[in-house]
Amino acid sequence: AQKVTQAQTEISVVEKEDVTLDCVYETRDTTYYLFWYKQPPSGELVFLIRRNSFDEQNEISGRYSWNFQKSTSSFNFTITASQVVDSAVYFCALSLNAGKSTFGDGTTLTVKP
Amino acid sequence: DAGVTQSPTHLIKTRGQQVTLRCSPKSGHDTVSWYQQALGQGPQFIFQYYEEEERQRGNFPDRFSGHQFPNYSSELNVNALLLGDSALYLCASSLSGHGPYEQYFGPGTRLTVT
Repeated sequence: AQKVTQAQTEISVVEKEDVTLDCVYETRDTTYYLFWYKQPPSGELVFLIRRNSFDEQNEISGRYSWNFQKSTSSFNFTITASQVVDSAVYFCALSLNAGKSTFGDGTTLTVKP
Repeated sequence: DAGVTQSPTHLIKTRGQQVTLRCSPKSGHDTVSWYQQALGQGPQFIFQYYEEEERQRGNFPDRFSGHQFPNYSSELNVNALLLGDSALYLCASSLSGHGPYEQYFGPGTRLTVT
């Protein structure tokens, strides 16, 4: 069975601070895919990034960066110079094949002005 | 290019009733997945439809059933509603063979069972 753990239930930072959201996953499969989604109050899940298990390169997209470490089964997400618009619930998810994704319980990020 | 649409936006039902939720996938997508998201939790996979058949199913009782139409749109039916069925129901569409698999999620239907 697959499991995704996001130990941080809530994080509050002041604007311009850097913040890291943690994600730890469990799977016995060697081929898998990891995702991060953002869920604003409107409810729609917004896709942020997808990583496959064979690609451990870290990725940077603007203020967002992701650190994938198979050795520790972690896929952490860092927001640099946070902004109020970054306030949302962020979900980490794991997928073995088409469609069926296992999600963590999310981290609620609040960025205060 | 229309994204994933869901209807209705909100719904209030009474215990024991039946409900049907609808989803239209993103243009060009042929696969629809349904998720249940209870308050304060992550989405839980219910099932997935491809070529009008249920291809995968999560750990949900038979009260949850679905259907996919030739135009790839989908319905989620829940019978004998329980209070615990109150949740945000999310539909996600994807293109089979192009993954895994960037799913596009709809805005969800918030179901309240009283």
